[in-house]
Amino acid sequence: GAVVSQHPSWVICKSGTSVKIECRSLDFQATTMFWYRQFPKQSLMLMATSNEGSKATYEQGVEKDKFLINHASLTLSTLTVTSAHPEDSSFYICSARPPKTQYFGPGTRLLVL
Amino acid sequence: DAKTTQPTSMDCAEGRAANLPCNHSTISGNEYVYWYRQIHSQGPQYIIHGLKNNETNEMASLIITEDRKSSTLILPHATLRDTAVYYCIVSDTGANSKLTFGKGITLSVRP
Repeated sequence: GAVVSQHPSWVICKSGTSVKIECRSLDFQATTMFWYRQFPKQSLMLMATSNEGSKATYEQGVEKDKFLINHASLTLSTLTVTSAHPEDSSFYICSARPPKTQYFGPGTRLLVL
Repeated sequence: DAKTTQPTSMDCAEGRAANLPCNHSTISGNEYVYWYRQIHSQGPQYIIHGLKNNETNEMASLIITEDRKSSTLILPHATLRDTAVYYCIVSDTGANSKLTFGKGITLSVRP
């Protein structure tokens, strides 16, 4: 299947700092990528849809000014968690879609102290 | 809201077939049935998908009922490494289609 990578795989930061997570499609081009968040013992929740060359579409309840998404190329989308707080600690997962099927990255575990 | 319902959990013996059911009674004509699994602390892994015909690949088989209201994922020879949460999702393949995850079914493969 297609390969999606994320960087970093885990990050620890202080409260109030910003953290950037990268999502790359390694062997295909993706005009659309998706960002999910998963809290412990819960399912994945879609945060936003990232569209290459245009603004991201955020799900209801997700603050677009806090979770900045940039999809600057057909193989790269970034999620920046601005002014992170402990409640933002979570497992962040991206996905990308060649025709018909979504493939997911390995996830980024964020811990805000 | 997820459009599928799955049992909360099931287990099976290593080497035996694991049959994971899924109900999707409100599936639309253009929606596919997708199966993903998530092993602890990893991103979801694509397994298989189908529209109305049964499908098979190197990982699993997908059996979809004729009325398309339910399906079964079959892992023919379960191993300990198949222990995971399995998600059944229905979605179309349009440019703006999204995957909505429910709670999935936790499969435990016992030695």
